[in-house]
Amino acid sequence: DAGITQSPRHKVTETGTPVTLRCHQTENHRYMYWYRQDPGHGLRLIHYSYGVKDTDKGEVSDGYSVSRSKTEDFLLTLESATSSQTSVYFCAIGRWVAGGTEQFFGPGTRLTVL
Amino acid sequence: AQKVTQAQTEISVVEKEDVTLDCVYETRDTTYYLFWYKQPPSGELVFLIRRNSFDEQNEISGRYSWNFQKSTSSFNFTITASQVVDSAVYFCALSEAGGNEKLTFGTGTRLTIIP
Repeated sequence: DAGITQSPRHKVTETGTPVTLRCHQTENHRYMYWYRQDPGHGLRLIHYSYGVKDTDKGEVSDGYSVSRSKTEDFLLTLESATSSQTSVYFCAIGRWVAGGTEQFFGPGTRLTVL
Repeated sequence: AQKVTQAQTEISVVEKEDVTLDCVYETRDTTYYLFWYKQPPSGELVFLIRRNSFDEQNEISGRYSWNFQKSTSSFNFTITASQVVDSAVYFCALSEAGGNEKLTFGTGTRLTIIP
């Protein structure tokens, strides 16, 4: 158990509304990531963070923003949700283990945009 | 750019059969990491293994084994004597080393074990 929680776990919203997903970790890891999972695409990186206030874009960052004001929390915001952002969102932490980093994932948030 | 290909979209085998899941990757990095994750029907992602690019030794963990071949850019996963609990989607992933280590995933292989 990597001590990662995500909230909410399920959300239904309407097109055009802002949505914020929260990822919380209890182990003080420096690296945190947001991925989305869609059929036929596997998981794709949206944004990641390498420290408080340090973030960068991933492969599919358009329409998303992130913030990290505390080590333990990494927020993902959909500025104006669209139906194409219906997906399952996973947060991950990067844990250093001898020889390299391993990523461990939270339980996921299922988001439906109507 | 990095790329991971899992050409097998779905596989079904009868319980107790052996099954191999294929993973082929592309990267220009000389040092990188390869991973396998399991996603059971409950939806969580379970870390199975990390392999460093400079370590080509194969690994066995119980009924699971992994065959890393740098010459063919492959990192295949074999389940021996499959069980119903092995039914899941399995993802292969690749990351660069020494940086932000972002993961590039394959599209996954759905494995169904038939009792």
